[in-house]
Amino acid sequence: KAGVTQTPRYLIKTRGQQVTLSCSPISGHRSVSWYQQTPGQGLQFLFEYFSETQRNKGNFPGRFSGRQFSNSRSEMNVSTLELGDSALYLCASSLPGIKNIQYFGAGTRLSVL
Amino acid sequence: AQKITQTQPGMFVQEKEAVTLDCTYDTSDQSYGLFWYKQPSSGEMIFLIYQGSYDEQNATEGRYSLNFQKARKSANLVISASQLGDSAMYFCAMREGRDSGYALNFGKGTSLLVTP
Repeated sequence: KAGVTQTPRYLIKTRGQQVTLSCSPISGHRSVSWYQQTPGQGLQFLFEYFSETQRNKGNFPGRFSGRQFSNSRSEMNVSTLELGDSALYLCASSLPGIKNIQYFGAGTRLSVL
Repeated sequence: AQKITQTQPGMFVQEKEAVTLDCTYDTSDQSYGLFWYKQPSSGEMIFLIYQGSYDEQNATEGRYSLNFQKARKSANLVISASQLGDSAMYFCAMREGRDSGYALNFGKGTSLLVTP
């Protein structure tokens, strides 16, 4: 079974631009979560989608948004990029259940210049 | 307030030795889950082991075991017979009650270096 696939793996953008990151979950997984990882703040939860609905959102400004499609694939968008948005963005998918283990992709490394 | 605390920024261990990575957590929920992930330099987060708050026995997965002390709110990861490939960042994470959705709170991580 294929794992979580994130595209692209690397991105370079300039301040003020917007960016869209994509995540394809493990087949059969309907929950997708996004995390931002930076050296200063560590791993921080962005949002979670289940059956095309945002179920939970972290403490990030409105410039960060996401969506999930009917095939469970998810995208996240960051508008008006700032230098501080440079980070590794990780996507995770999971099955509902008691354990709800989240399986992560390799991430998209975003550099904002 | 930090919900997951990993007090060891870096650890060294010799190949074939056992190592314990510390993790303490803070929650008022009765139902929660504790996770350990490994992150090599490639960036991917690899799931290692899970412990539920109601699990009576410590979790084990191959060379990984979890020393779960509920009263002390600690969930230390024990890696037995360390291998060079175990060199990576290790993160402890917690998922609290279902009302919080399935968001994971991560600690700052411990960098483990396995030496020959």
